[in-house]
Amino acid sequence: GAVVSQHPSRVICKSGTSVKIECRSLDFQATTMFWYRQFPKKSLMLMATSNEGSKATYEQGVEKDKFLINHASLTLSTLTVTSAHPEDSSFYICSARGDVNTEAFFGQGTRLTVV
Amino acid sequence: AQSVTQLGSHVSVSEGALVLLRCNYSSSVPPYLFWYVQYPNQGLQLLLKYTSAATLVKGINGFEAEFKKSETSFHLTKPSAHMSDAAEYFCAVSEGSSASKIIFGSGTRLSIRP
Repeated sequence: GAVVSQHPSRVICKSGTSVKIECRSLDFQATTMFWYRQFPKKSLMLMATSNEGSKATYEQGVEKDKFLINHASLTLSTLTVTSAHPEDSSFYICSARGDVNTEAFFGQGTRLTVV
Repeated sequence: AQSVTQLGSHVSVSEGALVLLRCNYSSSVPPYLFWYVQYPNQGLQLLLKYTSAATLVKGINGFEAEFKKSETSFHLTKPSAHMSDAAEYFCAVSEGSSASKIIFGSGTRLSIRP
């Protein structure tokens, strides 16, 4: 299958700082990218959906000013956690989808720890 | 709105035994259904998907699932469990269009006893 690369795989940051997570589709053009958050031993919660060149659509309850999503090209989307706090510590996973009705491929996830 | 319900947060079977992970869905339109597997601290890998073709879907690693509209179910099975099958399994649903978001169930942790 296609490859989606997420970077970094792990990051530790201080409370109050911002962290950027990258999601890249390595061998296909990602028309749509999704960002998920996963709490320990819990399911994936969809945070937002982004289409290349458009503003992201956030799910209810997700603060768009805190979780900034940029999908500037067909191979790259970024999630920036602004002014991070310990409660933002979580596992963040992106997925990318190409053409109509194609499969969405997942990145390997990013473990964010805010101290 | 779409949703999936996975019955049983933890399933334990003996090596070589049948694996059955249950999933029921709710959707107002014909759904696309998926099963994903997640190993610790990793992303998700697609096991199989139903996209309105054959109701019995075969996936990777010997897994299969059957779409039953009358029961709104999409249970995952494997005839003989292997130790390497121990992982977290997620059932998921989407509306099927290219921009549709995927909604995940709560997950079932599968443990394999030697």
